Amino acid sequence: NAGVMQNPRHLVRRRGQEARLRCSPMKGHSHVYWYRQLPEEGLKFMVYLQKENIIDESGMPKERFSAEFPKEGPSILRIQQVVRGDSAAYFCASSPKGDTQYFGPGTRLTVL
Amino acid sequence: GDSVTQMEGPVTLSEEAFLTINCTYTATGYPSLFWYVQYPGEGLQLLLKATKADDKGSNKGFEATYRKETTSFHLEKGSVQVSDSAVYFCALSAPLVFGQGTRLTINP
Repeated sequence: NAGVMQNPRHLVRRRGQEARLRCSPMKGHSHVYWYRQLPEEGLKFMVYLQKENIIDESGMPKERFSAEFPKEGPSILRIQQVVRGDSAAYFCASSPKGDTQYFGPGTRLTVL
Repeated sequence: GDSVTQMEGPVTLSEEAFLTINCTYTATGYPSLFWYVQYPGEGLQLLLKATKADDKGSNKGFEATYRKETTSFHLEKGSVQVSDSAVYFCALSAPLVFGQGTRLTINP
């Protein structure tokens, strides 16, 4: 059973570009979470989704960030007009029932 | 809001030493509690969990007991190995609220 997949593993963008991060949950998992880890810090919750629904986006910045989890395909975290402060590791986790979460390897975003 | 406080690192020990990493929490209700481990350049791996008071989670020689009276979930291991060197995160659900992480280095 494959684990949580994230791609790309590393992403470099210039200021003002868009970043798209993808997450494929474990088979049978319908709950997806996104977290952000700034250098030398813990992880901070961003958004919680189920198929076609955003359940909790209380951790998402109000502007430039959006997330979706369509009926078919991976969950996408989208960052528009990136700035240097967006440089971080972005982790996706999936869960079968909304309790124990299993993490992907992360996408490390660098904004030049 | 809910929060988790971990003992500050970094922590450096010799191989076969006893390990304790303290974790206390503030939460409404009765959250589940977790310890995750992160190796360099990797994502988080679930180490152990406990879902109710007095539960003990254990895995790979690590243990932690859910103490409701002291709102704690301290991580312990009797004899650490070099391969245990990593960053350890205490967390409560859900969505997960993480402590700041404790970097552990084990010297041979």
